[in-house]
Amino acid sequence: SQTIHQWPATLVQPVGSPLSLECTVEGTSNPNLYWYRQAAGRGLQLLFYSVGIGQISSEVPQNLSASRPQDRQFILSSKKLLLSDSGFYLCAWRGGTATKGEQYFGPGTRLTVT
Amino acid sequence: AQKITQTQPGMFVQEKEAVTLDCTYDTSDPSYGLFWYKQPSSGEMIFLIYQGSYDQQNATEGRYSLNFQKARKSANLVISASQLGDSAMYFCAMREYDAGGTSYGKLTFGQGTILTVHP
Repeated sequence: SQTIHQWPATLVQPVGSPLSLECTVEGTSNPNLYWYRQAAGRGLQLLFYSVGIGQISSEVPQNLSASRPQDRQFILSSKKLLLSDSGFYLCAWRGGTATKGEQYFGPGTRLTVT
Repeated sequence: AQKITQTQPGMFVQEKEAVTLDCTYDTSDPSYGLFWYKQPSSGEMIFLIYQGSYDQQNATEGRYSLNFQKARKSANLVISASQLGDSAMYFCAMREYDAGGTSYGKLTFGQGTILTVHP
């Protein structure tokens, strides 16, 4: 069965510090991968998606970047965090077993920028 | 313009009763998919049900059913026999296709509805 991991679960970082959030998927190959951000009490906003190693598409201009160094690894980064980067970050995957095109989400990372 | 609209910020239902969560969408694409997700207080998003734009019948998954009215562009989620564990945030989402006919699975989410089930 497929499993998606995210770490860390929670993170408190000062403004101007760097960021690295990691997401890995097990039990599938060549998945589509996605990073979403959720502000408190709001819906999810798609930040980046990737259809393969090294292939990153950005949906929203922002202070963040993403990379996919391996087939099942997706990393969200920032060189200098802003207060507005605070939120709940969710990684998701979609693969061949998703017969209806549904995405499966990881447990998320709660980021607080102080 | 919002592509997915969930007009109910919060809903309350008595245990064992049915509840309908509203979702309307906006698209000019004849091919699209509609999804409902549940987000408990833990934060994880749980896939519930899917409806394709060409599906002739309303989707059902256990206690969940989707009331799909294509002409009205609505895809309401019906939860029957509510349970205390159904208390959560519920999101409607849509997958569209770009001009090239691909979607890469990208989803657009609504703002969500908080459902509270009372004993």
